[in-house]
Amino acid sequence: DAKTTQPPSMDCAEGRAANLPCNHSTISGNEYVYWYRQIHSQGPQYIIHGLKNNETNEMASLIITEDRKSSTLILPHATLRDTAVYYCIVRVAGGNQGGKLIFGQGTELSVKP
Amino acid sequence: GAVVSQHPSWVICKSGTSVKIECRSLDFQATTMFWYRQFPKQSLMLMATSNEGSKATYEQGVEKDKFLINHASLTLSTLTVTSAHPEDSSFYICSASPSGQGRTEAFFGQGTRLTVV
Repeated sequence: DAKTTQPPSMDCAEGRAANLPCNHSTISGNEYVYWYRQIHSQGPQYIIHGLKNNETNEMASLIITEDRKSSTLILPHATLRDTAVYYCIVRVAGGNQGGKLIFGQGTELSVKP
Repeated sequence: GAVVSQHPSWVICKSGTSVKIECRSLDFQATTMFWYRQFPKQSLMLMATSNEGSKATYEQGVEKDKFLINHASLTLSTLTVTSAHPEDSSFYICSASPSGQGRTEAFFGQGTRLTVV
């Protein structure tokens, strides 16, 4: 699986958009970009994933650059409950290995009032 | 849908005893489940892959005789920490993806905090 690079920490004001970057310059053509987050002392939570097109769901938007070497997770209106560690993971989709993930250090997002 | 539940949420045990942690997929079947360990202020580390009806696959450096994994059904995997010692104190988390549904995202249990005294 391709290696990802994320800033170790970020701050965001409550109600503003949180933009979390991720670099994955060695991503392969069949690898997807997945985002998960982990709120303190809980199991990780799936947020969103994509291959090359931008994706949006009820939680967030995922913007992937045209060359697929980087992506940005956007939380449009951050709340205090969005304070968590956010992990960007690239991997091949499919099969029964969906739960097998190699976690980096992630970005610790602090949403402040 | 796609809920994974772990039990217990926390456990305290004496050094030298064994502890069993259960991981259940409540509304889907999973032929494969995964176990992770997380130490304070660190990221999750994959320990092993639990395969229904066959032996688990362990990551390098994880002692298979110490961390016994059983995946007896399509909805249940168990992790037993044998002869636990204080250095085994950690946050243990399992994950799974629904089998045969075309879904590729992982669903995680809430985690089990083990403290060995």
